[in-house]
Amino acid sequence: DAGITQSPRYKITETGRQVTLMCHQTWSHSYMFWYRQDLGHGLRLIYYSAAADITDKGEVPDGYVVSRSKTENFPLTLESATRSQTSVYFCAAAGANTEAFFGQGTRLTVV
Amino acid sequence: QKEVEQDPGPLSVPEGAIVSLNCTYSNSAFQYFMWYRQYSRKGPELLMYTYSSGNKEDGRFTAQVDKSSKYISLFIRDSQPSDSATYLCATQKGEYGNKLVFGAGTILRVKS
Repeated sequence: DAGITQSPRYKITETGRQVTLMCHQTWSHSYMFWYRQDLGHGLRLIYYSAAADITDKGEVPDGYVVSRSKTENFPLTLESATRSQTSVYFCAAAGANTEAFFGQGTRLTVV
Repeated sequence: QKEVEQDPGPLSVPEGAIVSLNCTYSNSAFQYFMWYRQYSRKGPELLMYTYSSGNKEDGRFTAQVDKSSKYISLFIRDSQPSDSATYLCATQKGEYGNKLVFGAGTILRVKS
């Protein structure tokens, strides 16, 4: 099906481990985003990409790394997970003439 | 101070009530305003999209923007239990593709 797919949907990891959240879109939209959602904060932008090989920091980028070697993929890596990174992570994609479409989210717990 | 302020609620109303959801924003550079609806354990989905000041109506939903007071509203008429969700206001400085800045989201429960 066309759309945006995030994997895994649920992840439990230990403090200090590296973990990668995957995001794949089937439309070839130029713009992709990573947000985290925490109670009381809404959605906060972690990283943003305007095209392949072009990325930019958002509001809360510390502790995260992104790459975009292909237009359709935008993985988010937590280099050394901390408990404060326990959250629900949403990936989104938008075209030049379209709204932002969100994935189903990845629920990450760092213990 | 957050760029977009939104009362998180929760807000509980009886079926058929008129619901008013509100946000304020601080940056006058924001030009595009959106309301997203998010059901439990799902991703946000765009509900309404408006540019600059004015009203926009879509069925039972009306989005209102007042740029002079930096105030965004969403009205839901004849609310239904299926409207129970979290409603997130969002703004962006440019058109599609730009970074969205979200409010905290308001949890709405419509009781049958």
